[in-house]
Amino acid sequence: QKEVEQNSGPLSVPEGAIASLNCTYSDRGSQSFFWYRQYSGKSPELIMSIYSNGDKEDGRFTAQLNKASQYVSLLIRDSQPSDSATYLCAVNSGGYQKVTFGTGTKLQVIP
Amino acid sequence: DAGVIQSPRHEVTEMGQEVTLRCKPISGHNSLFWYRQTMMRGLELLIYFNNNVPIDDSGMPEDRFSAKMPNASFSTLKIQPSEPRDSAVYFCASSRQGIDYEQYFGPGTRLTVT
Repeated sequence: QKEVEQNSGPLSVPEGAIASLNCTYSDRGSQSFFWYRQYSGKSPELIMSIYSNGDKEDGRFTAQLNKASQYVSLLIRDSQPSDSATYLCAVNSGGYQKVTFGTGTKLQVIP
Repeated sequence: DAGVIQSPRHEVTEMGQEVTLRCKPISGHNSLFWYRQTMMRGLELLIYFNNNVPIDDSGMPEDRFSAKMPNASFSTLKIQPSEPRDSAVYFCASSRQGIDYEQYFGPGTRLTVT
């Protein structure tokens, strides 16, 4: 079983819709959760961090964490073509600063 | 503030040659990570340092790979001898010790071994 799992996609949504990206993790002791956005040919860019159960909103982005069910999700409201990218979920499973990355979900926002 | 700096941005070399990748972490960050990304394997952690000390090098593929961090502002990843299967994008990332564990990535080095 992979430590951090994501659907590879592509996930296609029309412009203006809500994009929902999901991630599950295996280590119940995980404490820190991150979403990175990676445009083609670029490096991963941190867009959201979440540390406690519930929702965290930042502009059009909302991260949701449910530790009991071991999943974390990212909602993108009013999706724009510029949101088209691969979104990487990352989880800190304890021990210094190491995080484990999922394989990423490719999002395509159709104009 | 300057972000993570990596050099070179692109490297093309022939099989058997030595390759050295360089990284300067964000000032004040005390953890540094080297990753490799390929289409087949995604983003893989190779090694990470905390306070200049290697903590986990279990991701280093084989003895041809080595990494050093002689001081808080500089790290190198060396491949000797290089092989075509080493072709990938190599990222360096840094983070600040604390409860947040947020990592910030450099622009990467695209390595092509022919």
